[in-house]
This record gives sequence, structure tokens and C-alpha cells, in this order.
Amino acid sequence: GQQLNQNPQSMFIQEGEDVSMNCTSSSIFNTWLWYKQDPGEGPVLLIALYKAGELTSNGRLTAQFGITRKDSFLNISASIPSDVGIYFCAGQLGYGGSQGNLIFGKGTKLSVKP
Amino acid sequence: KAGVTQTPRYLIKTRGQQVTLSCSPISGHRSVSWYQQTPGQGLQFLFEYFSETQRNKGNFPGRFSGRQFSNSRSEMNVSTLELGDSALYLCASSLVGREARLGNTEAFFGQGTRLTVV
Repeated sequence: GQQLNQNPQSMFIQEGEDVSMNCTSSSIFNTWLWYKQDPGEGPVLLIALYKAGELTSNGRLTAQFGITRKDSFLNISASIPSDVGIYFCAGQLGYGGSQGNLIFGKGTKLSVKP
Repeated sequence: KAGVTQTPRYLIKTRGQQVTLSCSPISGHRSVSWYQQTPGQGLQFLFEYFSETQRNKGNFPGRFSGRQFSNSRSEMNVSTLELGDSALYLCASSLVGREARLGNTEAFFGQGTRLTVV
């Protein structure tokens, strides 16, 4: 089946650092979504991207829809403790608005540096 | 506007039993999907309902079933529970078709139901 490779799988952050993560696939996607999930909660939508090359910000978060339409990047600037959690990317295949066409990455877990 | 509501939040069931989970979508959203989330497998798509009809199905056995009511609320049922069914079950709702911008999907999740099978 379709797969999204999300990297890194985990990382440690120190307050004030910038963080980057990405998702890549061999498939072409028409939409990229980025979610954050806190422990015991459902994923919360952070950013939605609709066009190749699109760069969208949400506060300290910036995400880009790759030119090839096979990848997407999420950057967090000046990280703070509440940024910890698991970040998921999701790519939509085709059109028609069906969630059955959404493919999720396995997540990037952000933790605080000990 | 209220978000996606799932009940109950937590459940403990015994192997062999059956369970029903409930999901109320965001008002106006007619598409409801269910996902199973486990540490090892990540988010796995179970099925999607739209206008009371299942229109997409993931790769899960027939023990997993669902339905949608005329008010778009949805229920998911798992029969003959197995230990491996222990997971966080998430419901997500979205606008679809002409209701959605450019036909794209933004799925909004509920808080999930944590099911433990013992």
C-alpha cells in the first residue's frame, strides 16, 4: 500500500531551538496536512497545504508543500516546552475529499532534552 | 462551534465481548471516519461514512463495523474482542465534495476512546 516516510522518528528539543521534520513518499499528493497530538488526546490540525510550492505559517510553525508534490516539511522556530508531542503528516491522494485517500506518517515525537 | 465528540473516553472490556463506540461530528460535517491508533502501527484507517453509507474501508477484519445515522453521528462496533484490539480509536469528521475547498480534505479529530481488552 501507499506509505509516507516521516523523519526523524524522534528528537529532543531545547527551549529556543528551531526544529525541522519532513515527510516523503513515492506517490504524488494533492494535499498535505500536519497534525500535533498530545498524550491521551486526538491529533489537532496545525497546517493544511493545497498547492505545490506553497509555504504556510501558523505562528511559529511553517510548513511547505514540496515542488515535486512527493514531500512536505514542517519547521518550528524558537521551540518552547509545550511544543512536545507527536507530529503527524498526512497526504491526500486524488481528489474528491474522501478521508479514505488520506495517508498518515508514523509521526515525529518531540521530547525535551534532559 | 463544538468539535468532534467521542464517547466514552475510556473502556475496559474482556476478550470475546463486543463494544460500541460513538462519535458526533462537527456540525455540518457529513463525512465521518474511524481510525485505530497503536504505538506499533500508528494511525490505521478503518472506514469512512458519508450520508449514512460506507464509502471507503481499510484493511481490517469483518469484526470491525460501523454505521452512520441521518444526523451524521456515527457508531463503531467491534465484536469478539481480541487482546490486540487494545488501542486508541479516533473519529474524524470533514467536509467533502462541493462543501470542501477544492475538494480537499481537512480531517478534524475527536479526543478518542481508549479501549483496553483484558
